[in-house]
Amino acid sequence: NAGVTQTPKFRVLKTGQSMTLLCAQDMNHEYMYWYRQDPGMGLRLIHYSVGEGTTAKGEVPDGYNVSRLKKQNFLLGLESAAPSQTSVYFCATFSPGGRTDTQYFGPGTRLTVL
Amino acid sequence: AQSVAQPEDQVNVAEGNPLTVKCTYSVSGNPYLFWYVQYPNRGLQFLLKYITGDNLVKGSYGFEAEFNKSQTSFHLKKPSALVSDSALYFCAVSLMTTDSWGKLQFGAGTQVVVTP
Repeated sequence: NAGVTQTPKFRVLKTGQSMTLLCAQDMNHEYMYWYRQDPGMGLRLIHYSVGEGTTAKGEVPDGYNVSRLKKQNFLLGLESAAPSQTSVYFCATFSPGGRTDTQYFGPGTRLTVL
Repeated sequence: AQSVAQPEDQVNVAEGNPLTVKCTYSVSGNPYLFWYVQYPNRGLQFLLKYITGDNLVKGSYGFEAEFNKSQTSFHLKKPSALVSDSALYFCAVSLMTTDSWGKLQFGAGTQVVVTP
């Protein structure tokens, strides 16, 4: 039972390059979220999904796209990376009424854009 | 709109002394309140939550938090800090309404440093 996993763990991009971050969960949770963490700003919600085939914008969606084609996977895409997207990205899942009724977080992806 | 404030960037405490990490919130409705801890190069770990009921909530690793509706606060406490409690602590709020179900608004975080 792996919980929430994120791929890759680290990545360095050049400005303008594209990449996709993968979040995978084996907990059968309906809700999934992508956050970015920057020093002194806590975690900010980028996009989220309330079920397979659905996505919605969070607090800071610009420059990112997402897809939820399968319930267990939530992909975060950067079409043209910018230095301002240097951050640590966390995926989280949630199931209402679950054991703790809270979000479960992945280990994070550290992205540097040069 | 909802918001969370953690007024201290860093809290320093000697091992064995009480630890308090402050959090205040602003929501238009009944809040769900959470505390998470983050160790270096790790994801966030759930510590405790308040939904309803007793104002004093007990969580993992000996931590507890007190919900104070009149002061809109949810301070995290531990009676006797350990060096291993040194980490980054986040307070978060959610309304758990249809529109915001499961979405968390985080504070900026408070770095706790426990010295031997």
